[in-house]
Amino acid sequence: QLVLTQSPSASASLGASVKLTCTLSSGQSSYSIAWHQQQAEKGPRYLMKVNSDGSHIKGDGIPDRFSGSSSGTERYLTISSLQSEDEGYYYCQTWGTGIQVFGGGTKVTVL
Amino acid sequence: QVHLVESGGGVVQPGRSLRLSCAASGFAFSSFNMHWVRQAPGKGLEWLATMSYDGTYKNYAGSVKGRFPISRDNSKNTLFLQMNSLRTEDTAVYYCARDSTHGPAFDVWGQGTMVTVSS
Repeated sequence: QLVLTQSPSASASLGASVKLTCTLSSGQSSYSIAWHQQQAEKGPRYLMKVNSDGSHIKGDGIPDRFSGSSSGTERYLTISSLQSEDEGYYYCQTWGTGIQVFGGGTKVTVL
Repeated sequence: QVHLVESGGGVVQPGRSLRLSCAASGFAFSSFNMHWVRQAPGKGLEWLATMSYDGTYKNYAGSVKGRFPISRDNSKNTLFLQMNSLRTEDTAVYYCARDSTHGPAFDVWGQGTMVTVSS
C-alpha cells in the first residue's frame, strides 16, 4: 500500500533553514516523489520532483533556496534563507500503478 | 504561459449533479495526462481521477469511482469532471493538474473551483 507520512508542522526563524521530511512505506525506497507548496487561500504550486538517488528537478521559477534530497524511504525538502512568503503547507506526492497519493501535509511557520 | 483554469463550481443540493471544466492554455494539451484533485475545507489534497493524454485510459479513487466520470476534449483543450449523486462530503475545492514533462508528478495546477453540497 502506498502511503506518505509527513510531520504536521515545522517552524524556523526568518532567514534560517528548515528541512521537511516525507516518508514512504517500507519497501518503496526506489520511489520518486514531488513536493508542492500551498500558500494561504491559493492553489498548490509544484516545487520539484525528488528521485531516490537524491537528484531533483525543480519547477520553473523555483528559487535556489529550495532543494531536495533522499535517504532510504525518506525524501526531504530543505528551504534555506526562509522568507515570510514561505509560510504555508507543503505536500508530498507519489504515484503507483494508476494511482496518485498525497501526504497529509506539513504546515510551515516562519517565526 | 502555461495555464489551467477550472470553472463550473457552485452550491448544489445532495443527490444533484454538476460538471466541472478545466481549460488549458500555453501547452500541447493533447500530449499530457491530466488529473482532478480536491481539497475539503481545512483538509489535505485528495487525488480523484486521471485521464491519459488520448483519453484511452482512466482511473479513479475509490471515493468517486462510479459517480465522477472524467473526460476530455482535446480539440477544445478542456478537461471535464462530471459529478453525479453529490454528497455533503464532496464539498471541496476542486483542482485540475497536469503530469509533468518528466513523469507523473503534477507540475501545473489550476486555481481551483469551489463546490458546496448542501440542502
